[in-house]
Amino acid sequence: GAVVSQHPSWVICKSGTSVKIECRSLDFQATTMFWYRQFPKQSLMLMATSNEGSKATYEQGVEKDKFLINHASLTLSTLTVTSAHPEDSSFYICSAIPGGAGGSPLHFGNGTRLTVT
Amino acid sequence: EDKVVQSPLSLVVHEGDTVTLNCSYEVTNFRSLLWYKQEKKAPTFLFMLTSSGIEKKSGRLSSILDKKELFSILNITATQTGDSAVYLCAVLIAGNQFYFGTGTSLTVIP
Repeated sequence: GAVVSQHPSWVICKSGTSVKIECRSLDFQATTMFWYRQFPKQSLMLMATSNEGSKATYEQGVEKDKFLINHASLTLSTLTVTSAHPEDSSFYICSAIPGGAGGSPLHFGNGTRLTVT
Repeated sequence: EDKVVQSPLSLVVHEGDTVTLNCSYEVTNFRSLLWYKQEKKAPTFLFMLTSSGIEKKSGRLSSILDKKELFSILNITATQTGDSAVYLCAVLIAGNQFYFGTGTSLTVIP
């Protein structure tokens, strides 16, 4: 149980275009989902906390107008990288907590490798 | 400022060796500490520790938490090449906020 599906697994796009990444909780409802970014050989960096039905909470230094987060339902959150540039190339991972309550493990999607050319 | 620190940053061992990975933390409103293994894709869950002194074990992996000294260790005995990965420590605080450490990169040489 507690499966998180992330799509696409990898995407290559041209500079200036926008890319949407989906994160779905397949067998549980997630009122809160998290979006992370990971550079090679580095740890996960929290970008934002996605809350169902309300605005996302962004970490300091993360441009909310560039990384648009929408959490329209209890099972889906999307991250849109707008006007992507090569420096946005990275590994993006979403995660969710089953039940939304503290004390449960964080379950991760398989990540999306974004390459901007 | 809340922080999670892992050590060592990287480690190279031979098959059969035993390794100990460390995670120390300074956070407010601690709820639990989690260990993850990350290979090429997303991290996979290993352990969640909430109480001090209670060892959690899964095969050759074990972990324990010390809430007084604010640290946890992850032990791997009789290491195998398949154990090569980055091991991440994360601390959950009230409000469902997770803080990740920098990770320990483990390489097991045949």
